[in-house]
Amino acid sequence: AQKVTQAQTEISVVEKEDVTLDCVYETRDTTYYLFWYKQPPSGELVFLIRRNSFDEQNEISGRYSWNFQKSTSSFNFTITASQVVDSAVYFCALSAANTGNQFYFGTGTSLTVIP
Amino acid sequence: DAGVIQSPRHEVTEMGQEVTLRCKPISGHNSLFWYRQTMMRGLELLIYFNNNVPIDDSGMPEDRFSAKMPNASFSTLKIQPSEPRDSAVYFCASSPTTSGANVLTFGAGSRLTVL
Repeated sequence: AQKVTQAQTEISVVEKEDVTLDCVYETRDTTYYLFWYKQPPSGELVFLIRRNSFDEQNEISGRYSWNFQKSTSSFNFTITASQVVDSAVYFCALSAANTGNQFYFGTGTSLTVIP
Repeated sequence: DAGVIQSPRHEVTEMGQEVTLRCKPISGHNSLFWYRQTMMRGLELLIYFNNNVPIDDSGMPEDRFSAKMPNASFSTLKIQPSEPRDSAVYFCASSPTTSGANVLTFGAGSRLTVL
């Protein structure tokens, strides 16, 4: 069975602080893909990153970075020097090669950045 | 590319009325998905199509819900009769194929309120 757990329901940080959003996944598949999506207050779901199970390299994009660790089944997301515009709900998702394109979304983490 | 287009953006209706939500996927995308988002249940996959054919509708809540994709550029999700518990944001998403590696591109969503 596929499952994604985002244990942090809500996080509040003060602007310019760093914040890490946790994502733990479960799958028996050896080939799978992990994603992060952002849902700002306007409501749309915006794709941020995709990682495949064979690539454990961490990735950095500007103030965003992602730490993928297969040993702990985690795919954590860090925002450095947070800004008010980062306030949103962030979803982690999993899709496995042998389940078609079914995405399994976590319940989301609501991030509030306080100016 | 205009992205995934959904209409209406907002719909308020009374219990018992028929509701039709519409979606135009990204041109060239062969897979289309309908999701429902509520506070209680998060993001739920209702149904997805590949090449206009419904592949998995196990997420459709009950017979009051139906979805069609008459051609590659249009899909509808219909609720008849609607009930207050159907109030939610309904997202349509598309992707190039059903490969688990593909990124889902979401529309802006249709917010449904059933009174």
